[in-house]
Amino acid sequence: AQKVTQAQTEISVVEKEDVTLDCVYETRDTTYYLFWYKQPPSGELVFLIRRNSFDEQNEISGRYSWNFQKSTSSFNFTITASQVVDSAVYFCALSGQGGSEKLVFGKGMKLTVNP
Amino acid sequence: DAGVTQSPTHLIKTRGQQVTLRCSPKSGHDTVSWYQQALGQGPQFIFQYYEEEERQRGNFPDRFSGHQFPNYSSELNVNALLLGDSALYLCASSFGPTTYEQYFGPGTRLTVT
Repeated sequence: AQKVTQAQTEISVVEKEDVTLDCVYETRDTTYYLFWYKQPPSGELVFLIRRNSFDEQNEISGRYSWNFQKSTSSFNFTITASQVVDSAVYFCALSGQGGSEKLVFGKGMKLTVNP
Repeated sequence: DAGVTQSPTHLIKTRGQQVTLRCSPKSGHDTVSWYQQALGQGPQFIFQYYEEEERQRGNFPDRFSGHQFPNYSSELNVNALLLGDSALYLCASSFGPTTYEQYFGPGTRLTVT
C-alpha cells in the first residue's frame, strides 16, 4: 500500500523566515512520482512540483526548493524568505506505477506566515 | 483556455437525499478523476473516468457512482447521503489516465445536515 506522512500539521512563522515542510512516503513501486500541491483558502489545489523516482536531483524555483532522498523516502519542501502570500495548506502526494495510478495525499500542513 | 470547472460551488443536502456534482475538464483533456476532501484532511481518490468508463476506484462504497459523457465532462452521484459525506469534492482532469499532469478544479463544498 502507498502512504504519505506529513508529520507537521500546522506551522506559524514570521515573514522572511525560512520554513521546511516534511514529507515521508511509502511505496513498493520502483517507478513513482512525488508531488507538492498548495491549497489556498479558495480550495483549488495548485500544482507546485513533480519529481519522478529516478531523479534525485534537488530543485530550486525562486524561493522554493525541494530535497528528494530515496534513502530516507523523503521529499521535503523549503520556502525561503517566506511571505504572507505563502499562507496555505500544503500537500505532499504520491502516485505509483509511473504515474498511472491515483494520487495518494498526505494530510496536509497548514502554513501561516505572519507579517 | 478554460481550466477545470465544477458546479455547483456549494450545496446543502439532508441525510438520505441524493446529490449530483458536475465537472468539465480542461480543454484538451479526456480523463476526469474525483477526490473527496474532508475537513482537515488530504484529498482521497474516489474514482477515475476515461473513455466513458470507470478505470480506477478508491475505497468508497457503491453509493458513490459516476458517469462520463462523450464531451468528457463528468458527474459524481452520491446516494443516501450521510453526515460523513460532508466534504469538498474535487475534480481533476488530465490527458489520458495519468497523474503526471493533472489539473484540479475549485471544488464543490457539500454539506449534509
